[in-house]
Amino acid sequence: AQTVTQSQPEMSVQEAETVTLSCTYDTSESNYYLFWYKQPPSRQMILVIRQEAYKQQNATENRFSVNFQKAAKSFSLKISDSQLGDTAMYFCAFMPYGGSQGNLIFGKGTKLSVKP
Amino acid sequence: GAGVSQSPSNKVTEKGKDVELRCDPISGHTALYWYRQRLGQGLEFLIYFQGNSAPDKSGLPSDRFSAERTGESVSTLTIQRTQQEDSAVYLCASSTLAGGVDTQYFGPGTRLTVL
Repeated sequence: AQTVTQSQPEMSVQEAETVTLSCTYDTSESNYYLFWYKQPPSRQMILVIRQEAYKQQNATENRFSVNFQKAAKSFSLKISDSQLGDTAMYFCAFMPYGGSQGNLIFGKGTKLSVKP
Repeated sequence: GAGVSQSPSNKVTEKGKDVELRCDPISGHTALYWYRQRLGQGLEFLIYFQGNSAPDKSGLPSDRFSAERTGESVSTLTIQRTQQEDSAVYLCASSTLAGGVDTQYFGPGTRLTVL
């Protein structure tokens, strides 16, 4: 069974600083997708960034980037120049490619607080 | 365009009552998912619809839970004889293509409280 582990229940960072959120996963699949979702207090899950496992290049989206280490099954999220609006729960998620199931498998989340 | 919408936003019910939760996916999205999020936890997959195929019900926790979807539009998640452990936020997501190629877009969820 696939599992996703986020080992940091809570983190805090000063505004404008950089923070890295950790995520590891376990799977026997060779092709899959990895995602980071953000969930602010409004409950709306918002896609932050996604990575295809077959791509060696790390995905980036503006201030957000990932460090994808396939052999280590690690997928960390780096947030640069943190802003107050980044305060939220962050969930790492895994999805195997193809097959009959398209559901996401989520970690338990990391609560990030950005302090002024 | 409009995103995924869910209703009601909040639902309080008494133990033993039945509840229905509604999800309106993004127009044109063929795949629809239901997840449950207990307090302080990640999301648990419940059920998945893809076009006219038989739904994947492998995540439903008991036979008190069921869901329907009419074509590629609205879906309803029904919980019968609710229990206190059913209290959670129920999130719906839709995507244009199942199998992980496209991104799932989430609704704001329904917070269910069972007294």
